[in-house]
Order: sequence, then structure tokens, then C-alpha cells
Amino acid sequence: GAGVSQSPRYKVAKRGQDVALRCDPISGHVSLFWYQQALGQGPEFLTYFQNEAQLDKSGLPSDRFFAERPEGSVSTLKIQRTQQEDSAVYLCASSLVSYEQYFGPGTRLTVT
Amino acid sequence: GESVGLHLPTLSVQEGDNSIINCAYSNSASDYFIWYKQESGKGPQFIIDIRSNMDKRQGQRVTVLLNKTVKHLSLQIAATQPGDSAVYFCAENIVKFGNEKLTFGTGTRLTIIP
Repeated sequence: GAGVSQSPRYKVAKRGQDVALRCDPISGHVSLFWYQQALGQGPEFLTYFQNEAQLDKSGLPSDRFFAERPEGSVSTLKIQRTQQEDSAVYLCASSLVSYEQYFGPGTRLTVT
Repeated sequence: GESVGLHLPTLSVQEGDNSIINCAYSNSASDYFIWYKQESGKGPQFIIDIRSNMDKRQGQRVTVLLNKTVKHLSLQIAATQPGDSAVYFCAENIVKFGNEKLTFGTGTRLTIIP
């Protein structure tokens, strides 16, 4: 079956631009997670949804980061006024059981 | 704060040999520990998990050992194959409503030598 998909796979943004990253979770998965992975590092938690409810956004690094999942399926991570330190791979994961998370391929964001 | 860390950043193993990847954790409250494999350009792939009340769990060619006394986790891969080359992460999870996140370690790059 289809796994988690993310788009775009690669995004280059000029500093100050806004970007929107999309995640299509596995059908029927209630939980959805966003992680940020810097080069050579492990993924770091950003935010968590259960259906359409955002239950934990403690990992969002600043108020420039915003995530939504309005219908409890597709999710969008938006970054406003991008900065160079936002350059990373953004991973989306979905799950039925929280610890068994299925990850998408990620979106590699490069801010120039 | 809580952290999950790894002892070795890189590991090279001859094809066919067994490999052991180690991980130290600091959060005694973790309910589950999970190993993920990440190949270049891909997202992490679930390998195996172990509940905190277990010491050992076996899968296909993989075994995870948990030593709660010293807060140590290991992943053993038997009869390594070229396809095992990847970065391996340990992660921990606390099962609690509103706090379902995984906390990952830095990762160990495993290279299988043909």
C-alpha cells in the first residue's frame, strides 16, 4: 500500500520567503508528526496531531513555524520569513500506535 | 534534559559478520525504545521496538537488548548484508496522551564491507 508522501521533495527558498510543505499520511492513520532533521543529526520533534487536533507543538522553534491538519488527513507545515538556520530536511510521520511511526521521504529545504 | 545518545558515530563491518550498534539513554520514564534505519535520501524506517519491561526482543536477523540498570540499548544485526549499510537511530517514546513524540539519538553510520 501507499506510504507517507511528502511534497515537494526539494525546496530552495530565498531568505525571507514563506514556504509550505505538504504531508499525505497513510490512510486511516490518526496520528501525524513533523520532525526537523539537520545534516548529520537525528530527527527532532516539531509538532503532533491527533486527527485535526494539534496536541503538542512544543518543538516548533519559533512563531514563524505553523502547522495545520484541518480535516484530520493532509497536513501542511508552513514556515514564514525563512532564515538560513531553517535549512534542513523536514520529515512527516504517521501512525496508528504512537511509537510505530511511518516516515515519509522528507522535504529538503535550502534557504539561500 | 532528556537525551538519547550513541557511543559510536561510525561502524564498519565485513559482509556476513554480525554487527552491534549501541545507544545510551537518560530518561527512565520511557515506555518504548525503537530502532530506525535511514538510507540516504529516505525517511527513517522502523526496524524493531522493545517495551521497557522487556530485556530482549528478536526479529528477522535483528535482536534488541535493553539494560535498564545502565540505561543501555543495543541493536544486533546478524549476517550483515550490503543492504544493511545505512544510518541507525535509536529513539525513545513515552506513551502519554498529548506527548507522543519520539526522541532520537544522533545516529550511527553502519558500512558493510563486501
